Amino acid sequence: AQKITQTQPGMFVQEKEAVTLDCTYDTSDQSYGLFWYKQPSSGEMIFLIYQGSYDEQNATEGRYSLNFQKARKSANLVISASQLGDSAMYFCAMREGRGGADGLTFGKGTHLIIQP
Amino acid sequence: SAVISQKPSRDICQRGTSLTIQCQVDSQVTMMFWYRQQPGQSLTLIATANQGSEATYESGFVIDKFPISRPNLTFSTLTVSNMSPEDSSIYLCSVGGGGWETQYFGPGTRLLVL
Repeated sequence: AQKITQTQPGMFVQEKEAVTLDCTYDTSDQSYGLFWYKQPSSGEMIFLIYQGSYDEQNATEGRYSLNFQKARKSANLVISASQLGDSAMYFCAMREGRGGADGLTFGKGTHLIIQP
Repeated sequence: SAVISQKPSRDICQRGTSLTIQCQVDSQVTMMFWYRQQPGQSLTLIATANQGSEATYESGFVIDKFPISRPNLTFSTLTVSNMSPEDSSIYLCSVGGGGWETQYFGPGTRLLVL
């Protein structure tokens, strides 16, 4: 079974609209972390936002927020007021268990295109 | 945030040869991670490199094919050995930011094997 599922291979959104990128995860660990990264066509991986499994509040970073629904194992990324520069691949990822000793497991990504 | 550099940024290699990729971090880190991103695909963890011990490889990756060195707390190398066209990928190194709530990536090495 996939540990991270992103069901939207591609999305087209009008500029200035809000965007929700879906991510569901599968883990039996009680302690885990969820990450979102942006990868523009240049290929760099840009860290956007993090949510810990024990965090009670949804994470926010500027225009990015994470809609964390633990019971549903869902960690959707919300981008408010989208901009043309938001066009990129977006990856959801998870770190399980042993703190910083573990690398990340990535979903397949969503290709977001913002249209003027 | 950590500043990570990788060398080379890109390379074109002949099959059967080997390439060593360097990763340098501007601060001391315990764990360094190596990932592969095949064309049009997501990232896959190759191995975790802890200074002073053998690297830990993920399923499907072996030391003979991807030997890793970690001589100190700011540097690591990944070698792609006996390359074939299937090894054409972006290889990225990554480090944690001190707590486990961050993980930063280097700019990547784009490898094309002919």
